[in-house]
Amino acid sequence: AQTVTQSQPEMSVQEAETVTLSCTYDTSESDYYLFWYKQPPSRQMILVIRQEAYKQQNATENRFSVNFQKAAKSFSLKISDSQLGDAAMYFCAYRSARGETSGSRLTFGEGTQLTVNP
Amino acid sequence: KAGVTQTPRYLIKTRGQQVTLSCSPISGHRSVSWYQQTPGQGLQFLFEYFSETQRNKGNFPGRFSGRQFSNSRSEMNVSTLELGDSALYLCASSLNSGRGYTFGSGTRLTVV
Repeated sequence: AQTVTQSQPEMSVQEAETVTLSCTYDTSESDYYLFWYKQPPSRQMILVIRQEAYKQQNATENRFSVNFQKAAKSFSLKISDSQLGDAAMYFCAYRSARGETSGSRLTFGEGTQLTVNP
Repeated sequence: KAGVTQTPRYLIKTRGQQVTLSCSPISGHRSVSWYQQTPGQGLQFLFEYFSETQRNKGNFPGRFSGRQFSNSRSEMNVSTLELGDSALYLCASSLNSGRGYTFGSGTRLTVV
């Protein structure tokens, strides 16, 4: 079974600074997807960024980028120019790419609570 | 484009009762998944439905069940509620799960 580990329960960053959230995972599969989700106090999980394991290029979405190290099974999220609205719980998630017909589930890490200080 | 809608937002039930939660996915999304979120266990997968068929199930007792209708709307049911069932229940829909899932705001269930 796959596992996802986020070793930083809490992180803080100053507004406009850069912060990196860590995520490691364990899997025997070679093809999979990785996601970062953000959960603000409104409770809705919001997709921040996704990475396909077969792509070597790191995904980027505006101020959000990842450092995907497949051999090390590491998938960290970098937030540049942090804004107050970035404050939330961040979850790293894994999904097998075995195929749509085999069903799908997300395996989540424990989460990292990010505080942005003005 | 409307998002994933979950109703109700809050629910208080008594031990032993049963409860039904509803989820309306984004139009066109045929995959609906349910997750339970608690402070102790984190986010755990309950089950996934695709075109009215359950195609994946997590490690939850049989008290937890679900179904999906022809319009892709889904319901989950919990029978004989226990205090430990108190949680945030999140629903997610997907057109192509490799692209990611869109979540609703969840139903906060409190069992007293």
